Amino acid sequence: DQQVKQNSPSLSVQEGRISILNCDYTNSMFDYFLWYKKYPAEGPTFLISISSIKDKNEDGRFTVFLNKSAKHLSLHIVPSQPGDSAVYFCAASARQQGGKLIFGQGTELSVKP
Amino acid sequence: DTGVSQDPRHKITKRGQNVTFRCDPISEHNRLYWYRQTLGQGPEFLTYFQNEAQLEKSRLLSDRFSAERPKGSFSTLEIQRTEQGDSAMYLCASSYRDSGSGANVLTFGAGSRLTVL
Repeated sequence: DQQVKQNSPSLSVQEGRISILNCDYTNSMFDYFLWYKKYPAEGPTFLISISSIKDKNEDGRFTVFLNKSAKHLSLHIVPSQPGDSAVYFCAASARQQGGKLIFGQGTELSVKP
Repeated sequence: DTGVSQDPRHKITKRGQNVTFRCDPISEHNRLYWYRQTLGQGPEFLTYFQNEAQLEKSRLLSDRFSAERPKGSFSTLEIQRTEQGDSAMYLCASSYRDSGSGANVLTFGAGSRLTVL
């Protein structure tokens, strides 16, 4: 069963505009949610995380929003830059499950100059 | 420390051969994870270690797969009698706790790509 879902395989945005990447989950036991970025031929790189007791966390151009009642989170990138073009993965973990991350399928973001 | 190192970066083998991948985690991280990633999918959990103890194995880890972390430092993932379906990127990660959110953050290596002919 797919506990973490990213329903948009790709997203194209103009440079300088906002990129919004979405993620849905089904397991209400998840305590933490994370976003990773992946360039070709590299491993995923951690971007930002949020605890389930928060609804927003911001780090520079990146903000993650969590809506627990809807079991939905999103990553906002403002302003988008061409170097942000990569595959973005949403991931979740539950403390009782040893901290392992369950990943979504990824969304490929393309930021056009 | 240069991060998580994986070796080899790419392995091409014939069906039925055995392969072994090595992972050197960040030295101060005591948890080590193995994941598998195929095209168009996110990383899938295989197994993880706390120091030298293997604490969980996914049902994806068939009996042809074995992972070890003998001294709680580096780890190896061996696949015996490889099949074409084993072709994937094998990712290793070690983890730390994020001081802000408290999340268990995995730091990944660049991966070992396996191609089984």
